[in-house]
Amino acid sequence: GAGVSQSPSNKVTEKGKDVELRCDPISGHTALYWYRQSLGQGLEFLIYFQGNSAPDKSGLPSDRFSAERTGGSVSTLTIQRTQQEDSAVYLCASSSRQGHTEAFFGQGTRLTVV
Amino acid sequence: AQSVTQLGSHVSVSEGALVLLRCNYSSSVPPYLFWYVQYPNQGLQLLLKYTTGATLVKGINGFEAEFKKSETSFHLTKPSAHMSDAAEYFCAVRNNFNKFYFGSGTKLNVKP
Repeated sequence: GAGVSQSPSNKVTEKGKDVELRCDPISGHTALYWYRQSLGQGLEFLIYFQGNSAPDKSGLPSDRFSAERTGGSVSTLTIQRTQQEDSAVYLCASSSRQGHTEAFFGQGTRLTVV
Repeated sequence: AQSVTQLGSHVSVSEGALVLLRCNYSSSVPPYLFWYVQYPNQGLQLLLKYTTGATLVKGINGFEAEFKKSETSFHLTKPSAHMSDAAEYFCAVRNNFNKFYFGSGTKLNVKP
């Protein structure tokens, strides 16, 4: 596609439920990133994919968080047993393999846990 | 490990005044450096980037940044602030393993 697409744009869920956030990167981009942005906070790195593998998942806050990427394209971030502190905007970005290129961001998914 | 430091989480300037947003990075190798802007309720948009070559980089909306290796800095400037520049600005470094490190962001407020 023309840009990074994230869905849903907004998600309200009850505490304890599982949620799935989807990211569709720019076609041909091998690198994909997930970040979390809590209210008034900067960007918190969650996980990085190169192709379908995740060489760096050091930012996942707990084992309730997981992510996968299939076919070197779409990625899904899953949060199990959501907690109120999970409320944030989840941003996805993709980039090509070439080091001088920038990351392109989606519009984000705003997750609210009630 | 690399890191990015943005001095000042909030900066306030008057319309027409100089904008200076500071960014320092730590890197053992020449980095790729970026500035992004985030308007309310939107994703991040690239303002400008430094890869190689000229150390003074010009971006969109009249912004520019200068890469100073000796100071490990990549400060963002604009000669004359406009109300529409009010946003949050993020400095970022990309390492040789394709990972991006972001600073904590600076919110720019422009006063009329």
